[in-house]
Amino acid sequence: QKEVEQNSGPLSVPEGAIASLNCTYSDRGSQSFFWYRQYSGKSPELIMFIYSNGDKEDGRFTAQLNKASQYVSLLIRDSQPSDSATYLCAVYGGATNKLIFGTGTLLAVQP
Amino acid sequence: EAGVVQSPRYKIIEKKQPVAFWCNPISGHNTLYWYLQNLGQGPELLIRYENEEAVDDSQLPKDRFSAERLKGVDSTLKIQPAELGDSAVYLCASSVLRGSGGETQYFGPGTRLLVL
Repeated sequence: QKEVEQNSGPLSVPEGAIASLNCTYSDRGSQSFFWYRQYSGKSPELIMFIYSNGDKEDGRFTAQLNKASQYVSLLIRDSQPSDSATYLCAVYGGATNKLIFGTGTLLAVQP
Repeated sequence: EAGVVQSPRYKIIEKKQPVAFWCNPISGHNTLYWYLQNLGQGPELLIRYENEEAVDDSQLPKDRFSAERLKGVDSTLKIQPAELGDSAVYLCASSVLRGSGGETQYFGPGTRLLVL
């Protein structure tokens, strides 16, 4: 089992829709959870982080964390073509004491 | 505020040649990371520095890779000799050490290495 798992996609949504990106992790001791966006040929850019169970909202983005289910998600409301990118889930803490990235989900927002 | 600076942005070398990458972290960030990212994969940690000290280099292939962070600011990652499989993007990131772990990391633009 991979430490951080994401569906590679592509996830295709129409412009204006809600995009839902999901991530599961294996280490129950994980403490911090991050979402990065990576455009093709560019470096990862931080979108949000979340430490506690529940929802955290920032503009059009909402991160959701459920530690009991070892599940973290990112919702993007009113998706725009400019949101088309790979979204990387990263998990910190537990046994590794380092930031572990998933392989990313490719999001394609169709105009 | 300036972000993480890396150079060069692109490098093409022949196998068995040496190569070096340079990173300047965000001012005030005392933790510096080097990651390797292969196509279609997430970044993988090579080495982490807290100030001048390499606190995690367990994933650094020490037979050919070396790194240094003199004076706790800039860092250099070196490969000697390079192999075909080293072709990847080398990312530098930095964060502020607060002692609790899980600090937010900010990435530089990366160096894209192609070994022929």
